[in-house]
Amino acid sequence: KQEVTQIPAALSVPEGENLVLNCSFTDSAIYNLQWFRQDPGKGLTSLLLIQSSQREQTSGRLNASLDKSSGRSTLYIAASQPGDSATYLCPRNKLVFGAGTILRVKS
Amino acid sequence: NAGVTQTPKFRVLKTGQSMTLLCAQDMNHEYMYWYRQDPGMGLRLIHYSVGEGTTAKGEVPDGYNVSRLKKQNFLLGLESAAPSQTSVYFCASSYLADGFNSPLHFGNGTRLTVT
Repeated sequence: KQEVTQIPAALSVPEGENLVLNCSFTDSAIYNLQWFRQDPGKGLTSLLLIQSSQREQTSGRLNASLDKSSGRSTLYIAASQPGDSATYLCPRNKLVFGAGTILRVKS
Repeated sequence: NAGVTQTPKFRVLKTGQSMTLLCAQDMNHEYMYWYRQDPGMGLRLIHYSVGEGTTAKGEVPDGYNVSRLKKQNFLLGLESAAPSQTSVYFCASSYLADGFNSPLHFGNGTRLTVT
């Protein structure tokens, strides 16, 4: 069964810290990778899309990388803010989701 | 440009009742997906469609049926609702398949409670 593991499962940090969220896949056949955030009771908001020809993508304080050979992706959040508090998700090829990383940034 | 629209937003059903959830997209996307999300879990794929008139099963298809009669619409049906189908349902769409660098676009979800 194809699985997505997200580490850590939950994270609580003070404002201003730099964070690393990890995603790993049992099947390393990954064509592209899209990171999402989900606020409580809300839908999914797209953050970054790493296309098949890319290894990383940056948007503001967010940087995501993808290592297809190892089946791993990392989302780096710089200078975290309370507004970053959400659940972060990284589905494999749109079809398989992990449980997510629940992030809480304290002010 | 509305993106992906799901109706209804909320619904309460009694066990055994039937209903249809509607997903509509205005981006001319070929691919459409239905997921369910339960507390503490990630999204799980129910069914998906790679084009008008075609559907395929995902990870948790039992108890659900789908139809894609028009390219812009993807319907999810519950013929005889059960309490285990209490969940939040999300629809998504994308242009072409993986390998073509197409992002997923999500609707805002339908919260369904079966009593």
